Amino acid sequence: QKEVEQNSGPLSVPEGAIASLNCTYSDRGSQSFFWYRQYSGKSPELIMFIYSNGDKEDGRFTAQLNKASQYVSLLIRDSQPSDSATYLCAVNSISSGSARQLTFGSGTQLTV
Amino acid sequence: SAVISQKPSRDICQRGTSLTIQCQVDSQVTMMFWYRQQPGQSLTLIATANQGSEATYESGFVIDKFPISRPNLTFSTLTVSNMSPEDSSIYLCSGGQGAPMDIQYFGAGTRLSVL
Repeated sequence: QKEVEQNSGPLSVPEGAIASLNCTYSDRGSQSFFWYRQYSGKSPELIMFIYSNGDKEDGRFTAQLNKASQYVSLLIRDSQPSDSATYLCAVNSISSGSARQLTFGSGTQLTV
Repeated sequence: SAVISQKPSRDICQRGTSLTIQCQVDSQVTMMFWYRQQPGQSLTLIATANQGSEATYESGFVIDKFPISRPNLTFSTLTVSNMSPEDSSIYLCSGGQGAPMDIQYFGAGTRLSVL
């Protein structure tokens, strides 16, 4: 069974600090990795995606991928109260059929 | 990004009844999916909606309980049948372009309460 594990929260960081969110996955065939932000009572919003090993930066957000270690992380620099949300890690895989699906982690609740 | 419109946004239903949720996506979308998010939990994939054919259901979800239609590329419905309080959840539609990037965008969701 394909699994996506996220570090247990809640995670609390002071305003202006760096928030580090981690995720591991079990399917070595996974090729695409996503971070979604979900505010309470709202639907998930895509904030970052990464396909290649290394770092990908977008504003205050940096996604890091290490396929050998099956590890993906999200760094949020200069954390703001508006970053307070649940962050969901998602990984693609080939399902039992032919459709490609995303498997989601349980989420990490961040409070700034 | 893709525009995903979902309705209703919320509903309160009686036990034993059925509710149909609609999802409309823009033309950039080729793949459509339905998820369930139970209170305090993450997203669980119910099924992949296939255009003009039966949906592909994930383990634990069956067509009799969650019939899905996708009559054309940009529209899909999910019906929650013979509801019980255990069906109280948020139901989410997503859309994307599939391989190779597999990016998915979500609708606003339907918050369902079954009494």
